[in-house]
Amino acid sequence: GAVVSQHPSWVICKSGTSVKIECRSLDFQATTMFWYRQFPKQSLMLMATSNEGSKATYEQGVEKDKFLINHASLTLSTLTVTSAHPEDSSFYICSAQEGGPNTEAFFGQGTRLTVV
Amino acid sequence: AQTVTQSQPEMSVQEAETVTLSCTYDTSENNYYLFWYKQPPSRQMILVIRQEAYKQQNATENRFSVNFQKAAKSFSLKISDSQLGDTAMYFCAHDYGGSQGNLIFGKGTKLSVKP
Repeated sequence: GAVVSQHPSWVICKSGTSVKIECRSLDFQATTMFWYRQFPKQSLMLMATSNEGSKATYEQGVEKDKFLINHASLTLSTLTVTSAHPEDSSFYICSAQEGGPNTEAFFGQGTRLTVV
Repeated sequence: AQTVTQSQPEMSVQEAETVTLSCTYDTSENNYYLFWYKQPPSRQMILVIRQEAYKQQNATENRFSVNFQKAAKSFSLKISDSQLGDTAMYFCAHDYGGSQGNLIFGKGTKLSVKP
C-alpha cells in the first residue's frame, strides 16, 4: 500500500533555532503534499499545500516566512519551522497524494515538535 | 462557511456491541467527499471510510458503515461488533477546493471499547 514516512518522529529544539521536518512518499510519487498541525487534544488544521516544483499555497493565517515548505522532488517535501518559539510546539502531520485531486491522500505518522 | 461538527467528545461501548458516532457539516461546495479517520494512540491517521456526496448509497467497509443524509448535512459512523482495537480518536472530515487532500476536520470523538 501507499506509505508516507515522516522524519523525525519527535524533535526537541531550543527557542530561536530552526528545525526541518521531512515527509517522504516511499512507494509512490506524490504530486501533491499537505502539511497539517494538530494541537494537543484538538483537531488537525491544514497549514499548506505543496506541489512538486512550485511554491506552496498557505492557508489563511499561516505565516509562510515562519513555516517554509519545499517540495523539491516527487517523493519529498520538507517543512522548516524557522526561529521556533514555544508556541510552535505541536504535532505536525503530512499527507501525500499520488494521483489527481480526487484520489486519496495518505498520512505520515506525524512529528512531535517541542520548543524549549 | 466550511465546518465539521462532532458533538460527542467521548463515547464508550462494550466489546461486540454497536456504536454510532455523529457528525454534521456545512459546505458551499456542490461536489465533495466525506471521510471518517481513525487516530489511535500511535497518532497515525487511518482512513476508515469515504463517501462521495453525489452517491445516495451509504458507504460500507466491513464493520464500518455510514448514514449519509445530504439534505440534513449529517454523516454518522456506525461501528458494528466493536473490537478493542477500535479504541481511538475518530475524526469526521470533508474536503474542499476539489481535492481530497484539502480536509476540514471535526474536533474528534474519543471512543473507548471496553472488554
